[in-house]
Amino acid sequence: QSALTQPRSVSGSPGQSVTISCTGTSSDVGGSNYVSWYQHHPGKAPKLMIYDVIKRPSGVPDRFSGSKSGYTASLIISGLQSEDEADYYCCSYAGNYRYVFGSGTKVTVL
Amino acid sequence: EVQLEESGGDLVQPGESLRLSCEASGFTFSSYVMTWVRRPPGKGLEWVSSIGGAGGTSYYTDSVKGRFTISRDNSRNTLYLQMNSLRVEDTAVYYCAKDLRFLSQVWGQGTPVTVSS
Repeated sequence: QSALTQPRSVSGSPGQSVTISCTGTSSDVGGSNYVSWYQHHPGKAPKLMIYDVIKRPSGVPDRFSGSKSGYTASLIISGLQSEDEADYYCCSYAGNYRYVFGSGTKVTVL
Repeated sequence: EVQLEESGGDLVQPGESLRLSCEASGFTFSSYVMTWVRRPPGKGLEWVSSIGGAGGTSYYTDSVKGRFTISRDNSRNTLYLQMNSLRVEDTAVYYCAKDLRFLSQVWGQGTPVTVSS
């Protein structure tokens, strides 16, 4: 039950694009269509940004997108904005009601 | 409106016990898998435990097996997490969540647990 691997931090200037990777195994990311991404500010409820690998809930800006290749899922933030500064986590369903989260990535807008 | 409200977080000493509650409203509670997730200070989100809608099936992350018990009272629309033999590393904000796999998921605002001597 090791955490999925994410970069500790990524940064970009306003308007730039950043990509956050999330690497797992065949038991989670590689074998699951249920990969989601969360934006989290400590003390608040995590906010769902992407679900089912590529789907975006209503209300989430279309500059957020998701993808997956093999054992690695990715969250792409295009046109970075100051309000995007937060911690981001991937999460994969691992079967039998079990989930595994990523190690978390801090996004900084320069 | 679908809502989850956690309670029960507190400051306790290592080895002590605590029970968290999560009161649900706005949906048919018994129809959904419920989950506890935690975020320790300075660390990332961690799945803790999940329980099936009827309460007969439950799973735990390895670090809490044998110490934590998840349960639910569908007549009271309430999810519980009984935490025994608490350790300093259990210090975290604990969140309950509905239907974590799907778009219809909902999270509570969290309740803080501090384990310290």
